Amino acid sequence: EVQLVESGGDLVQPGGSLRLSCAASGFTFSNYWIHWVRQAPGKGLVWVSRINSDGSSTSYADSVKGRFTISRDNAKNTLYLQMDSLRAEDTAVYYCVRDSSGSHWGQGTLVTVSS
Amino acid sequence: DIVMTQTPLSSPVTLGQPASISCRSSQSLVHSDGNTYLSWLQQRPGQPPRLLIYRISNRFSGVPDRFSGSGAGTDFTLKISRVEAEDVGVYYCMQATQLPLTFGGGTKVEI
Repeated sequence: EVQLVESGGDLVQPGGSLRLSCAASGFTFSNYWIHWVRQAPGKGLVWVSRINSDGSSTSYADSVKGRFTISRDNAKNTLYLQMDSLRAEDTAVYYCVRDSSGSHWGQGTLVTVSS
Repeated sequence: DIVMTQTPLSSPVTLGQPASISCRSSQSLVHSDGNTYLSWLQQRPGQPPRLLIYRISNRFSGVPDRFSGSGAGTDFTLKISRVEAEDVGVYYCMQATQLPLTFGGGTKVEI
């Protein structure tokens, strides 16, 4: 069974940093692109970032470019999102998503940016 | 960025009756490889999104056959043939033809 389990969400002050993780199981992790998608409370879905299967190529939404870094460790079947210079508008549930069809989503991890 | 526009925003439905959601993209979703990367997602209250339909009309594993997708180019439709109570939630269309992935604003289906 495919599983994606996010962790690392927390309450952080504006300007602070967090690192999210997404542990994958039930499939060959190194074969797939993975995306981060976020959802602010009561709002819709917004794409954040993606990484290709071997980690050599990444892309970011303009709203997070230069502040967030996506990476992966295929030996550990884990995806990461390093989030720096956090702003109130980054408050959201962050989901990791397998492949561009959106075939599998994790349960999400809540990031709250507030003083 | 490709803008995805869904209608209606909200859809009151009657159990056992059909429902339909439309999604329009600001440009063609036909990829250079010939495929159209348009998916439909369901988000039940308190749950993460779940894939229902991919590449316009392909039902994902485990999705009931009362869900169907159709369309081409820039206009797409999700249909539920007979709404059941478990279908309550928000439905999103999503395009993956071009980065950034973009989503429709969502359609709330309620009984």
